[in-house]
Amino acid sequence: DTAVSQTPKYLVTQMGNDKSIKCEQNLGHDTMYWYKQDSKKFLKIMFSYNNKELIINETVPNRFSPKSPDKAHLNLHINSLELGDSAVYFCASSQGRGATWELFFGEGSRLTVL
Amino acid sequence: QKEVEQNSGPLSVPEGAIASLNCTYSDRVSQSFFWYRQYSGKSPELIMSIYSNGDKEDGRFTAQLNKASQYVSLLIRDSQPSDSATYLCAVTYNTDKLIFGTGTRLQVFP
Repeated sequence: DTAVSQTPKYLVTQMGNDKSIKCEQNLGHDTMYWYKQDSKKFLKIMFSYNNKELIINETVPNRFSPKSPDKAHLNLHINSLELGDSAVYFCASSQGRGATWELFFGEGSRLTVL
Repeated sequence: QKEVEQNSGPLSVPEGAIASLNCTYSDRVSQSFFWYRQYSGKSPELIMSIYSNGDKEDGRFTAQLNKASQYVSLLIRDSQPSDSATYLCAVTYNTDKLIFGTGTRLQVFP
């Protein structure tokens, strides 16, 4: 039974399109995250939600909009996709709020913008 | 800009040797330090955490922290080919954020 699951695993799309990635965790965790990992393996936090409340919103273009309908789900919608958005997007969750908790990552969603 | 620096590698070691992975960080007030392992095409997974100066051992892994030098390292004893992966150092910034380094790729050859 997958703890943190993301869909889809792969997206290939054209510049200017809009896409969404969904994430669900069945660990009962309170906090969820979106991370972006670029081609050089640099893993950068984008957003974090704790019990549906946005607690971290990094310097991310407003084309990226997260939504947390409940504490088990965190979705990411991206408008007007650009070439530089190509990356692997990881969803993660942690038991508590705060950076000292272990992160549990999903398998990643590889986005390729052509 | 708070940073975590790692040598990208690859670090190549023979099977059975000790692999030494290093990480420096810029934020003096960071309190928690982690090592995540990421196999190619997979997601990161936590292997070690360390919070106070000194060494922390878990099986073949030892994490070492020196806050005065802003330095954290990971030693892998008796390295195995299955240890071949990218090792990501992560450091807390404030209380909510975890900042990752770019990772060191480790190759263990038979």
